[in-house]
Amino acid sequence: NAGVTQTPKFQVLKTGQSMTLQCAQDMNHNSMYWYRQDPGMGLRLIYYSASEGTTDKGEVPNGYNVSRLNKREFSLRLESAAPSQTSVYFCASSEVGGNQPQHFGDGTRLSIL
Amino acid sequence: AQSVTQLDSQVPVFEEAPVELRCNYSSSVSVYLFWYVQYPNQGLQLLLKYLSGSTLVKGINGFEAEFNKSQTSFHLRKPSVHISDTAEYFCAVSVWTGGFKTIFGAGTRLFVKA
Repeated sequence: NAGVTQTPKFQVLKTGQSMTLQCAQDMNHNSMYWYRQDPGMGLRLIYYSASEGTTDKGEVPNGYNVSRLNKREFSLRLESAAPSQTSVYFCASSEVGGNQPQHFGDGTRLSIL
Repeated sequence: AQSVTQLDSQVPVFEEAPVELRCNYSSSVSVYLFWYVQYPNQGLQLLLKYLSGSTLVKGINGFEAEFNKSQTSFHLRKPSVHISDTAEYFCAVSVWTGGFKTIFGAGTRLFVKA
């Protein structure tokens, strides 16, 4: 049982390049999330998808787009990468409901030069 | 507005000593509370959660936490830590704001010394 799988694990980009971070979960969860983690700032929500076919902005959505491809997959795209987007990105999933914990992938470490 | 404050950014402690990691939250409505642990180069894993009922909840790896509604706190404790407990710990609050929203604290880095 893989849980939440993120690819790639590491990536280095040049300013202005684009890329897509992939996330897939095998727990049949309805809700999926993208966070970024920066030192001393905890996790900040970029986008989330409460269910297949819906996406909503989180706390820091600027510079990002998402696609909920199907129930299993939720991708995050950087259209024109900027150094301020250097971070560790985590995908998570959960059952619907505030009492449900989130399950996290191991992260994508992204550096933008 | 809802917020989560973890009062210590770093907590150094000797092996086999007790530890408490503090978490306070701000919310005018009922909340669900969680503690997560993050080991190096990994994602977050659930340690324990408080949903309702007994205010003392037990989690994995010998950790426990106590919900105090009057002080809006949810402090994490372990009576005797191991080197392997070295990790970053995150407190999180789930609150209804027209939909459920989860807010994470900034994290507390626990460093266990031999």
